[in-house]
Amino acid sequence: QSALTQPASVSGSPGQSITISCTGSSSDVGSYNLVSWYQHHPGKAPKLMIYEGSKRPSGVSNRFSGSKSGNTASLTISGLQAEDEADYYCCSYAGSSTWVFGGGTKLTVL
Amino acid sequence: EVQLVESGGGLVKPGGSLRLSCAASGFTFSSYSMNWVRQAPGKGLEWVSSISSSSSKIYYADSAKGRFTISRDNAKNSLYLQMNSLRAEDTAVYYCARDFGGGKYAFDIWGQGTMVTVSS
Repeated sequence: QSALTQPASVSGSPGQSITISCTGSSSDVGSYNLVSWYQHHPGKAPKLMIYEGSKRPSGVSNRFSGSKSGNTASLTISGLQAEDEADYYCCSYAGSSTWVFGGGTKLTVL
Repeated sequence: EVQLVESGGGLVKPGGSLRLSCAASGFTFSSYSMNWVRQAPGKGLEWVSSISSSSSKIYYADSAKGRFTISRDNAKNSLYLQMNSLRAEDTAVYYCARDFGGGKYAFDIWGQGTMVTVSS
């Protein structure tokens, strides 16, 4: 299984919107609407932000949204805030009860 | 408070073994499938293994097959990962993560991780 492809870094100013892409293949992202996104502040536990492509768990801000087109999923964060600065990882179900993650994207809030 | 706390990491020589533990609290551990996910230094996350609530179904990433064994003790609210024949490329922070459950495909609760270093 090859890792999903994410940009190494993205940045934005407070109040702006950013989008992080996550490109897989027809074996994972393209075959299942089961992409999840995780926020990770180094040294802390990763936090689930989006599941099943576009659903937000209870307690996650509606500034976070997810979508998918073909083999590419996306995470959009609107109204950027300083506390959004973190690493973000996408993850897709890859069939046969296996999972594949992306390489991670470092978000910098300028 | 729902919590997962990993332990058991450390420095081990190539070819050696290590057993990781994950202590769960604040939820009915026996009702959830559990997972191990790792992150090598400077790299992304990598799913390692999953185990169903009753231990009847177990799955491994190719990188773990034949060397790692996942297990759980529902009476002790604990998840384990026995790692044998360790290699330098197994150096990583190892996280335990809970399946979201209810038919939802995601990992909703994570621990803070335990570091495993494989080096001579």
